[in-house]
Amino acid sequence: QKEVEQNSGPLSVPEGAIASLNCTYSDRGSQSFFWYRQYSGKSPELIMSIYSNGDKEDGRFTAQLNKASQYVSLLIRDSQPSDSATYLCAVNNYGQNFVFGPGTRLSVLP
Amino acid sequence: DAGITQSPRYKITETGRQVTLMCHQTWSHSYMFWYRQDLGHGLRLIYYSAAADITDKGEVPDGYVVSRSKTENFPLTLESATRSQTSVYFCASSDGLKFQYFGPGTRLLVL
Repeated sequence: QKEVEQNSGPLSVPEGAIASLNCTYSDRGSQSFFWYRQYSGKSPELIMSIYSNGDKEDGRFTAQLNKASQYVSLLIRDSQPSDSATYLCAVNNYGQNFVFGPGTRLSVLP
Repeated sequence: DAGITQSPRYKITETGRQVTLMCHQTWSHSYMFWYRQDLGHGLRLIYYSAAADITDKGEVPDGYVVSRSKTENFPLTLESATRSQTSVYFCASSDGLKFQYFGPGTRLLVL
């Protein structure tokens, strides 16, 4: 059974701080990794994708991948109240299945 | 409008009734997916399709039927709805198995 695990949270950080979200996966054949943001009552929206080891930065977001440790993380710098949402980690092994983690709920406090 | 749409957005039905949820995308993406999202379970894949007339089961297919006669449409049918199928249903599409685009979701309540 391919699994993706995340801390459910809630993770609370003060406005302006760095939020660190973590994800581990069980399938060593996984090749593609994604972070989605989901606001309450809305659909998931892609915010980052990463395919190789290391860091990938996009604005205030940085995704980090370590395939040896089967670990992917998302850092949000200068966190804003508008970043308060549930963050879903998703993993794909170039097969047809995307496996999603249960999500981490982030709360950014003004 | 370009994108992925779902209908209806909200549905209340009774146990034993047949219900069909519609999904339509305008990108001509080859892959389409149906997920359900429940508290404590996250997103779980019900069925997916790699192309028109090609469908396959996901993690939780029991009680559901899909078809894909046209690339742009991927309806999901609950043949005989049960209370355990109360959930939020998301359709998604993807081009080349990279990231997925999600529809707005359908909230289904089975009484």
